[in-house]
Amino acid sequence: DAGVTQSPTHLIKTRGQQVTLRCSPKSGHDTVSWYQQALGQGPQFIFQYYEEEERQRGNFPDRFSGHQFPNYSSELNVNALLLGDSALYLCASSSRDLPYNEQFFGPGTRLTVL
Amino acid sequence: EDKVVQSPLSLVVHEGDTVTLNCSYEVTNFRSLLWYKQEKKAPTFLFMLTSSGIEKKSGRLSSILDKKELFSILNITATQTGDSAIYLCAVGRVEGNEKLTFGTGTRLTIIP
Repeated sequence: DAGVTQSPTHLIKTRGQQVTLRCSPKSGHDTVSWYQQALGQGPQFIFQYYEEEERQRGNFPDRFSGHQFPNYSSELNVNALLLGDSALYLCASSSRDLPYNEQFFGPGTRLTVL
Repeated sequence: EDKVVQSPLSLVVHEGDTVTLNCSYEVTNFRSLLWYKQEKKAPTFLFMLTSSGIEKKSGRLSSILDKKELFSILNITATQTGDSAIYLCAVGRVEGNEKLTFGTGTRLTIIP
């Protein structure tokens, strides 16, 4: 049973560029949440997708956008990259059938903005 | 705004010692508190606590939640070098959504 997978593992971009990160949830899960983890900080919630719609959003600008596909996989897009966007981006999957907030995390994508 | 505070920020102990990590929180409509271990990248799930006073145990790790005082502790007994990691505490709300609010974590280092 495959866990949560993310691609790419590492990415280096320059300021102003755009980036797309990808996530496939754990088998049987239908909800994908994205988090940004800056160095020395805990993960910060970006947004969550369920039934191909953004259901909740954290305190992130519109430069951060996403998408969920019919197979539940998801993309995170960041436009007009800033140096401060350098971080580990984590995808977490869960299921609406689970009674509580248990989420399983992927290995993350390390984004470096130069 | 939801808030999670972990202490200490870092901890260095010798192998075999017992450690206690703390997590206090302020959240509207609390549903659950989760502990994760993060070694390199992916936080791995340890425990989820939803009821006060109930201890969850897994081998040398255990955790308890106090919903009245709004805190949780994670205990690790007979520590091993493989326990070296960042331990993250997160809280989730009732409201049908699954957003988690994380603390900054406790970096635990075990010296052989």
